[in-house]
Amino acid sequence: SQTIHQWPATLVQPVGSPLSLECTVEGTSNPNLYWYRQAAGRGLQLLFYSVGIGQISSEVPQNLSASRPQDRQFILSSKKLLLSDSGFYLCAWVPPGLASIDTQYFGPGTRLTVL
Amino acid sequence: AQKVTQAQTEISVVEKEDVTLDCVYETRDTTYYLFWYKQPPSGELVFLIRRNSFDEQNEISGRYSWNFQKSTSSFNFTITASQVVDSAVYFCALSEENTGFQKLVFGTGTRLLVSP
Repeated sequence: SQTIHQWPATLVQPVGSPLSLECTVEGTSNPNLYWYRQAAGRGLQLLFYSVGIGQISSEVPQNLSASRPQDRQFILSSKKLLLSDSGFYLCAWVPPGLASIDTQYFGPGTRLTVL
Repeated sequence: AQKVTQAQTEISVVEKEDVTLDCVYETRDTTYYLFWYKQPPSGELVFLIRRNSFDEQNEISGRYSWNFQKSTSSFNFTITASQVVDSAVYFCALSEENTGFQKLVFGTGTRLLVSP
């Protein structure tokens, strides 16, 4: 069966520090991968999606970047964190094949607090 | 443009009450998909249901039921005989058929509090 992992689960970072969040999927190949951010008490905002290794699309201009160095690994990064980067970051995947219409499955999330 | 509206920010009920969470969507496409996700306090989004635009049959899964009405662009979710474990934030989402990737548009969520 497929599983999705995210780490770390929680993170407290000072303003201006770098960031690296990791998401990995097991049990599937060539999934579509997504990064979302959920600000406190709000809905989900799509940040990035990837349809394959090295292929990243950004939805909104921001202080963050994403990379996909391996088929089942998706990394969210920042060189210098801002206070506004605080939030709950969720990774999601869609099975290959019918990726345009299938269901997205979410990881457990990373709660980031920037102080 | 796609849009999902969940007008109810928070609902409080007592255990065993029935509760309906509203979802209204906007889309120009004739082919689209609607989803409901549950976000318990732990934070992980749990998939509940997916519906395509050509299937307007209501669905029932245990205490959960969904009413899809294209005429009113609504996809409402009812929990019968609510339980404390149903306490969570519930999100409705919409996606249009696209080539190569799926883009979900989420509503802002409805927080459901079920008290004993």
